[in-house]
Amino acid sequence: GEEVAQTPKHLVRGEGQKAKLYCAPIKGHSYVFWYQQVLKNEFKFLISFQNENVFDETGMPKERFSAKCLPNSPCSLEIQATKLEDSAVYFCASSQSREETQYFGPGTRLLVL
Amino acid sequence: QKEVEQNSGPLSVPEGAIASLNCTYSDRGSQSFFWYRQYSGKSPELIMFIYSNGDKEDGRFTAQLNKASQYVSLLIRDSQPSDSATYLCAVSRGDDKIIFGKGTRLHILP
Repeated sequence: GEEVAQTPKHLVRGEGQKAKLYCAPIKGHSYVFWYQQVLKNEFKFLISFQNENVFDETGMPKERFSAKCLPNSPCSLEIQATKLEDSAVYFCASSQSREETQYFGPGTRLLVL
Repeated sequence: QKEVEQNSGPLSVPEGAIASLNCTYSDRGSQSFFWYRQYSGKSPELIMFIYSNGDKEDGRFTAQLNKASQYVSLLIRDSQPSDSATYLCAVSRGDDKIIFGKGTRLHILP
């Protein structure tokens, strides 16, 4: 598609439940990035993929967060056993190459109660 | 020292005036610099990018980069109420990771 698509728009989970977010990059873009935006607009890089391969996962909390980009499927970000502090907007972005501009999806707003 | 710093604002500018947004960064190896605009509750959208020292103009927007001083700025001429948003400065070393500042809230006063 012409835009990065993210689903769902909103997600509410009880503490300890699993959350799974999806991202379809722009067609032809090889790189996918996940960011977490908490209050006061602070963006945190989580992970990036080059096609289905993890490129950089230095921002991922190792214990509960995982992500995948499989061929012919939307990319996913999964949070096992969510915590209150996971409440944030999770943005996915894609780009044609490492150096190119990243284009953002609309985000998924996760609320953990 | 934070990697990308911006004044959080709010910055209030009268309609029609020039809004000046500033950003400093700590990594001297940074190569690519971006300004994103984010309306409340929306995803960020790219306004400008700049790679070389100097000015880059696009319509009412001018990005200025000074690598020696490690700052990048965004000027918005003839400010409009629709320019009211949070402006995020983002910096990349040229690899995949973009580091964002916390953003500056801009409020254009009608």
